[in-house]
Amino acid sequence: GAVVSQHPSRVICKSGTSVKIECRSLDFQATTMFWYRQFPKQSLMLMATSNEGSKATYEQGVEKDKFLINHASLTLSTLTVTSAHPEDSSFYICSASWFGRGAHGDNEQFFGPGTRLTVL
Amino acid sequence: AQSVTQPDIHITVSEGASLELRCNYSYGATPYLFWYVQSPGQGLQLLLKYFSGDTLVQGIKGFEAEFKRSQSSFNLRKPSVHWSDAAEYFCAVGAGNFGNEKLTFGTGTRLTIIP
Repeated sequence: GAVVSQHPSRVICKSGTSVKIECRSLDFQATTMFWYRQFPKQSLMLMATSNEGSKATYEQGVEKDKFLINHASLTLSTLTVTSAHPEDSSFYICSASWFGRGAHGDNEQFFGPGTRLTVL
Repeated sequence: AQSVTQPDIHITVSEGASLELRCNYSYGATPYLFWYVQSPGQGLQLLLKYFSGDTLVQGIKGFEAEFKRSQSSFNLRKPSVHWSDAAEYFCAVGAGNFGNEKLTFGTGTRLTIIP
């Protein structure tokens, strides 16, 4: 497989502040990174897809001005939650892919361990 | 739009017993289907994937899944579970290149193993 890390693993912040979450592919270069959100006892919901050097593509209903995504290098993508509010509290998961790296020689997504965001 | 249903929120199985986790999907074309496992503190790990060919797919850790088009199902099975199999399991359907570009997940099934 391939290793994807996220930092921090857990963050607590006050309402109105901004929080940045990092997603790194440790042993491969990722042309595409994905950001998901997971509410308790619910499935992962894709928020956005980012390709290195390009603007992220956001899913319908996701506020691009609130969830800023930067994919500046082949190993790093960041998600910034701006002016966070309690309803933004959630588990944020990233994944990364590179064509040919997957078990079937495809662009399988490799997932990070997630970041738990709590907004007070 | 594609969707996935996992009807069982929580399943408890004795160690050594067989396991079947259910998954039903909705997709307009031939689907790419996945099973992932999520352990606490770890990212989702791909157990197996169906994209064509043989409808019985073998995966890692002794898991297998069978694609049944007539039933729109992709159930996950294991003949004998181990305590280390306790985790959350997600079924997903994919779209795009090799189905990896747009994954839609089910709500997950939590598996508890009792000794």
